[in-house]
Amino acid sequence: GENVEQHPSTLSVQEGDSAVIKCTYSDSASNYFPWYKQELGKGPQLIIDIRSNVGEKKDQRIAVTLNKTAKHFSLHITETQPEDSAVYFCAASTDGAGGTSYGKLTFGQGTILTVHP
Amino acid sequence: GAVVSQHPSWVICKSGTSVKIECRSLDFQATTMFWYRQFPKQSLMLMATSNEGSKATYEQGVEKDKFLINHASLTLSTLTVTSAHPEDSSFYICSAREDGTRYYNEQVFGPGTRLTVL
Repeated sequence: GENVEQHPSTLSVQEGDSAVIKCTYSDSASNYFPWYKQELGKGPQLIIDIRSNVGEKKDQRIAVTLNKTAKHFSLHITETQPEDSAVYFCAASTDGAGGTSYGKLTFGQGTILTVHP
Repeated sequence: GAVVSQHPSWVICKSGTSVKIECRSLDFQATTMFWYRQFPKQSLMLMATSNEGSKATYEQGVEKDKFLINHASLTLSTLTVTSAHPEDSSFYICSAREDGTRYYNEQVFGPGTRLTVL
């Protein structure tokens, strides 16, 4: 099955700096890579996602890049703010109908991001 | 946008009792829902895939007789933790896949339910 590795486990930055979180995956059939933000005591919220037909996607201060050859993808947050502090999870999935991995997400271990004012 | 709710948001029970957690898709139909468990400072681990009108598919190592899943309608799935023990204390999160979406792997997550077993 799919295995997703996420680094770093913790990341501390100053407000205004950029933050980068990286993930690698093992299953070359994976073609959907979402990123989630989880605040304490809450469920994960999708912040951005990318599919394998593109190499980069941007939404305001957040961007995701994908390298299918190397099987890794990264989350980039620019101009960080204290409210960006949370746990971030990457995930990988195949978009195939049927089969045992039908739409299932495999999550990375998570990164605790702390943005200091 | 699509919203998923869970009830209760937290529950405390005594060891040996059973607890039911509800997951509802509020503004869309969901033939497929997923149940995850998350221990403190750990990632989400998929427990089972719930399909309306059929038996749930459990992940390896998850006891189907202990974690009963019922997906009786297109907007409601329930997870019942039977004979709960302290080691079952965890954060349980559900997600739902909206019927008719273009992609099969987009999921909307609920807010989670904190279960504490004394």
